[in-house]
Amino acid sequence: DGGITQSPKYLFRKEGQNVTLSCEQNLNHDAMYWYRQDPGQGLRLIYYSQIVNDFQKGDIAEGYSVSREKKESFPLTVTSAQKNPTAFYLCASSRTSGSSDTGELFFGEGSRLTVL
Amino acid sequence: GQQVMQIPQYQHVQEGEDFTTYCNSSTTLSNIQWYKQRPGGHPVFLIQLVKSGEVKKQKRLTFQFGEAKKNSSLHITATQTTDVGTYFCAGFSTALIFGKGTTLSVSS
Repeated sequence: DGGITQSPKYLFRKEGQNVTLSCEQNLNHDAMYWYRQDPGQGLRLIYYSQIVNDFQKGDIAEGYSVSREKKESFPLTVTSAQKNPTAFYLCASSRTSGSSDTGELFFGEGSRLTVL
Repeated sequence: GQQVMQIPQYQHVQEGEDFTTYCNSSTTLSNIQWYKQRPGGHPVFLIQLVKSGEVKKQKRLTFQFGEAKKNSSLHITATQTTDVGTYFCAGFSTALIFGKGTTLSVSS
């Protein structure tokens, strides 16, 4: 099946620990995104990547890092510098992101991170 | 910077009533997309509007894009319990920006 796979679905972390969330897509999409969702806050963009080995900060990039070494993969690391990391994290992909016709975003099922 | 505002934040209706959510952008948009997120799920694409004044229908759902391409609406006719969820608009100006969503609850 074509789609986006996020793992893990649930993750618990102690304060001060870095965690990495996995996102893999087999849709052959150029663009990939990470969003954070908090109740009543909608979807806030953390990072996005339009092409391999390139990525840009979104609105709330502080305390997060990403890499895009392969077209299929866009892992997100939540570092200990992120002040309030408990949230629902969504990965998405689209054909492109650099023009007005991005095409639809396909979302993974999300990863729920809880900091204890 | 570009902002996309969506109202209302919450809406409760009786089954069979109509529902509308509105989306307004601070900048002119190239296009606008609508997504639905069921409780506990992930957002799923519904539609994209590109042309000024465009109206598209999907069964009981009607989507409109304003003449100035700065606002949009989603109208659901005769809501059903299966319509429950959060509806997001996402507007593209220099980037795709999501509104905060409207959460719809329906009682039977």
